[in-house]
Amino acid sequence: KNQVEQSPQSLIILEGKNCTLQCNYTVSPFSNLRWYKQDTGRGPVSLTIMTFSENTKSNGRYTATLDADTKQSSLHITASQLSDSASYICVVSALTGANNLFFGTGTRLTVIP
Amino acid sequence: DAGVIQSPRHEVTEMGQEVTLRCKLISGHNSLFWYRQTMMRGLELLIYFNNNVPIDDSGMPEDRFSAKMPNASFSTLKIQPSEPRDSAVYFCASSLEDGAYGYTFGSGTRLTVV
Repeated sequence: KNQVEQSPQSLIILEGKNCTLQCNYTVSPFSNLRWYKQDTGRGPVSLTIMTFSENTKSNGRYTATLDADTKQSSLHITASQLSDSASYICVVSALTGANNLFFGTGTRLTVIP
Repeated sequence: DAGVIQSPRHEVTEMGQEVTLRCKLISGHNSLFWYRQTMMRGLELLIYFNNNVPIDDSGMPEDRFSAKMPNASFSTLKIQPSEPRDSAVYFCASSLEDGAYGYTFGSGTRLTVV
């Protein structure tokens, strides 16, 4: 069964600290993995997208890693800011099928001063 | 580019009433996705259009839900009759082809059925 699981479900960190969010998936055949940031009351916005051959991709203070062998991905946020408070959603695409997107339920990150 | 535009932003309606949610795609995108988001289930794909044609509607909960794409830039999602369990945030997203180049989400419509 194609599934995407994220952890932790929620996280509270102090401003300026680093944090790492986890995503494990069982989607097969794998096409790509995306991390989205969703601010409260807004739609998800893409942060990174990685294909099978990519191990890491950065977008400013966000760095995503992918281990296609263990089917794990992480999103590392460096020097967190208050504006990083949001839900972070991991989305995995399968190679086949029209309905080929599988969503994690997200990690709710709160950055406090 | 104004992005994907959804209306209304919020909708509160009584059980049994018809609800219509609207979405305008980004110019040039040819794929349109309707999603429902709840705390319990996260984002769920309801229906996917490509070039105005519904490709996969297996995520549509039941016959009370229907979606149309009357032209290349506009779509509606209709719930008739609405029920309290339909309360959720409904997003539409558009992309080029099947989303290989990424998806752009609208800001969503928060639906509350009382």
